Amino acid sequence: GAVVSQHPSRVICKSGTSVKIECRSLDFQATTMFWYRQFPKQSLMLMATSNEGSKATYEQGVEKDKFLINHASLTLSTLTVTSAHPEDSSFYICSAIQGTGNTIYFGEGSWLTVV
Amino acid sequence: QKEVEQDPGPLSVPEGAIVSLNCTYSNSAFQYFMWYRQYSRKGPELLMYTYSSGNKEDGRFTAQVDKSSKYISLFIRDSQPSDSATYLCAMLGFQKLVFGTGTRLLVSP
Repeated sequence: GAVVSQHPSRVICKSGTSVKIECRSLDFQATTMFWYRQFPKQSLMLMATSNEGSKATYEQGVEKDKFLINHASLTLSTLTVTSAHPEDSSFYICSAIQGTGNTIYFGEGSWLTVV
Repeated sequence: QKEVEQDPGPLSVPEGAIVSLNCTYSNSAFQYFMWYRQYSRKGPELLMYTYSSGNKEDGRFTAQVDKSSKYISLFIRDSQPSDSATYLCAMLGFQKLVFGTGTRLLVSP
């Protein structure tokens, strides 16, 4: 099946710094990728929808200047958490739609800890 | 009212039991219905997806969609301790994906 790779799987950063998380579709082209955040024991929360070559669409309440999303190619989307704070510590997951299909595949997630 | 409702559980069953997991939804625009399994501290893994109403079977898993009732189900036969996880339903309309909160399933040996 289709594979979505996320990197890094775990990252610890200092408060005030920025951290970038990559999401790659390894064996298919993904025109649309999604970014989610999941706090412990809670469901996935959609942060933004990323379309290749255009600006991301952010969900209500998500700061677009803090969570920068770049979908520069059909196989790569990046999420940059700028000026990270401890409350940004969470599990960040990306997913990708395969081509024009309607099946969504998830990355394995990235644990971000801001100290 | 939430677009997708799912009982968070936990649902505890003995090994070998038949498990029924369910979600209801309110948006009739949803066309694709998916079930994901998520183990602790891991990303969701796609189990099954169905388009529109009907049943789909894959091994011990059966997904059922009833669009007229806006109700979807996932059945697990002969449940195993390794099935213990959180099961998330998800529904896809046009570029709109909504998840249920997930049901935590515990299968005891």
